[in-house]
Amino acid sequence: KAGVTQTPRYLIKTRGQQVTLSCSPISGHRSVSWYQQTPGQGLQFLFEYFSETQRNKGNFPGRFSGRQFSNSRSEMNVSTLELGDSALYLCASSLGRGGTEAFFGQGTRLTVV
Amino acid sequence: DAKTTQPPSMDCAEGRAANLPCNHSTISGNEYVYWYRQIHSQGPQYIIHGLKNNETNEMASLIITEDRKSSTLILPHATLRDTAVYYCIVSSAGGSYIPTFGRGTSLIVHP
Repeated sequence: KAGVTQTPRYLIKTRGQQVTLSCSPISGHRSVSWYQQTPGQGLQFLFEYFSETQRNKGNFPGRFSGRQFSNSRSEMNVSTLELGDSALYLCASSLGRGGTEAFFGQGTRLTVV
Repeated sequence: DAKTTQPPSMDCAEGRAANLPCNHSTISGNEYVYWYRQIHSQGPQYIIHGLKNNETNEMASLIITEDRKSSTLILPHATLRDTAVYYCIVSSAGGSYIPTFGRGTSLIVHP
């Protein structure tokens, strides 16, 4: 079956702009989680959506937001971009319950200049 | 979720078994042990998970001690393509499952 698809793969934005990233989960998976990965902080959890509702949230400012659609596809948005937002953004798809594994996409590499 | 401790780096000769340890001394009874790996600049890849019993799949074996306070991921015949950062995670069986990643172990497989 098809894996997790993230688009775009690479993105360059200017400080102050906003950006929207997309994630299509594995068919049948209702949970999508988002992560930010930087060399200094490692993989950090942003938020999780399950059945169109945000179920869990990490410790990130309100500039980071997301949503999930009825087909489980998810988008995350970052407004008023800062240089420090440059990172690899990863999404993970799962059935959304304990004892099951998560599958990650290849990520979107965002560079803020 | 319980915290895990892994060595920051290890190396292994190609063709030999790679044994990656993980300490999770505060694990509770309903928490699973998961292993993922991340090859440079790619998304993490699920490897294996287990609760109490040892587990094996086409990629690896997972050995969990009887007291469940530690585990070992075994790659039976390491190849150069197994060079990656390996993450050990514990997470509850109930509710939502959010992998929380530490720094992992950087495994280098050399010729």
